[in-house]
Amino acid sequence: DQQVKQNSPSLSVQEGRISILNCDYTNSMFDYFLWYKKYPAEGPTFLISISSIKDKNEDGRFTVFLNKSAKHLSLHIVPSQPGDSAVYFCAASGYGSARQLTFGSGTQLTVLP
Amino acid sequence: DTGVSQDPRHKITKRGQNVTFRCDPISEHNRLYWYRQTLGQGPEFLTYFQNEAQLEKSRLLSDRFSAERPKGSFSTLEIQRTEQGDSAMYLCASSLVGVANYGYTFGSGTRLTVV
Repeated sequence: DQQVKQNSPSLSVQEGRISILNCDYTNSMFDYFLWYKKYPAEGPTFLISISSIKDKNEDGRFTVFLNKSAKHLSLHIVPSQPGDSAVYFCAASGYGSARQLTFGSGTQLTVLP
Repeated sequence: DTGVSQDPRHKITKRGQNVTFRCDPISEHNRLYWYRQTLGQGPEFLTYFQNEAQLEKSRLLSDRFSAERPKGSFSTLEIQRTEQGDSAMYLCASSLVGVANYGYTFGSGTRLTVV
């Protein structure tokens, strides 16, 4: 069973506009959520995270929103840049799990110049 | 320290052969993780070490897989009697216990192709 789901395999956005990537989870024990970015032939790179005690975390152009009641999180990128084109993975971990991460299947973001 | 290093980057092997991968974590990191990623999927947890102790293993880690981390430094992942289903990207990551989790640092992975 997929505990973390990214239902959009791909997303195309015009440069300068907002990119919104979505993620849903089913496990109520998850208490920490992360987004990773992955370029081809490289490992995933940590982007931004949020604890379950918060509903928003911002870092420069990147903002993550968490809606615990809906078990939904989203990543907003504003403004989007061509260099943001990559696969974005949502991941979650639970307390006491030694921060073992459960990943979604990823969304390929393409930012068009 | 340039991050997490994995060797080799690519490995092609015949079905039934044994393969071994190496991971060198960031030197001050005491936790080391192995993940596997197949095409179109996100990474899946295999196992992790805290220092030299292997503390958790996924059910994905069949008895053909073994991982070690002697002396709590580098780690090796061995797959015996490889099968075509073992073809995947094997990712290593490291982190530091006690520091708020701002995300592991992943290596670039070893891509295994079993023919």
